[in-house]
Amino acid sequence: DAEITQSPRHKITETGRQVTLACHQTWNHNNMFWYRQDLGHGLRLIHYSYGVQDTNKGEVSDGYSVSRSNTEDLPLTLESAASSQTSVYFCASSRSRDLTDTQYFGPGTRLTVL
Amino acid sequence: GQNIDQPTEMTATEGAIVQINCTYQTSGFNGLFWYQQHAGEAPTFLSYNVLDGLEEKGRFSSFLSRSKGYSYLLLKELQMKDSASYLCAVRDYKLSFGAGTTVTVRA
Repeated sequence: DAEITQSPRHKITETGRQVTLACHQTWNHNNMFWYRQDLGHGLRLIHYSYGVQDTNKGEVSDGYSVSRSNTEDLPLTLESAASSQTSVYFCASSRSRDLTDTQYFGPGTRLTVL
Repeated sequence: GQNIDQPTEMTATEGAIVQINCTYQTSGFNGLFWYQQHAGEAPTFLSYNVLDGLEEKGRFSSFLSRSKGYSYLLLKELQMKDSASYLCAVRDYKLSFGAGTTVTVRA
């Protein structure tokens, strides 16, 4: 079955380290998204991509970067991890740029920055 | 920008009905989504409304009034497995989420 996966599922790191979270989908979806979820804030958009070589900043992009070299993967990199980036990170994908398309979410990565 | 409000918590009894309200103020509108999220899991899609009115899917229904900036999710015949957070999300060019409503179903 087609799916969307994230790795690792849990990660503990130290302040200042570079961290990369992986997201992989097998639906051949054009659009991919990264969100973070914190208590009281809901899901907030970090970065998104509408296709290979396309990346865009979301509402909370500072300190994060993404790259899209193929359809299946959108890795999220924290250049220099900060304690404020402790959160649960969700990757999502949708089929097309049709604004009615549903986004489907991966299982999430719980990141702790000490 | 987007401003999306929903209650933080609701409690109901098994077999009862619960209505989760969502109000929004947006610069554009291309539909409203409801997602269900069990603790420690990913959000899963429940419903989508782009036109005014009621959409029914089994025990779950969702209503939209675009002129009032208002939606609700109705959960009928509550079951213990319905205990979860319910996320309201509004799309203009991107999807913006409310903070979620945690529903607890008691026996």
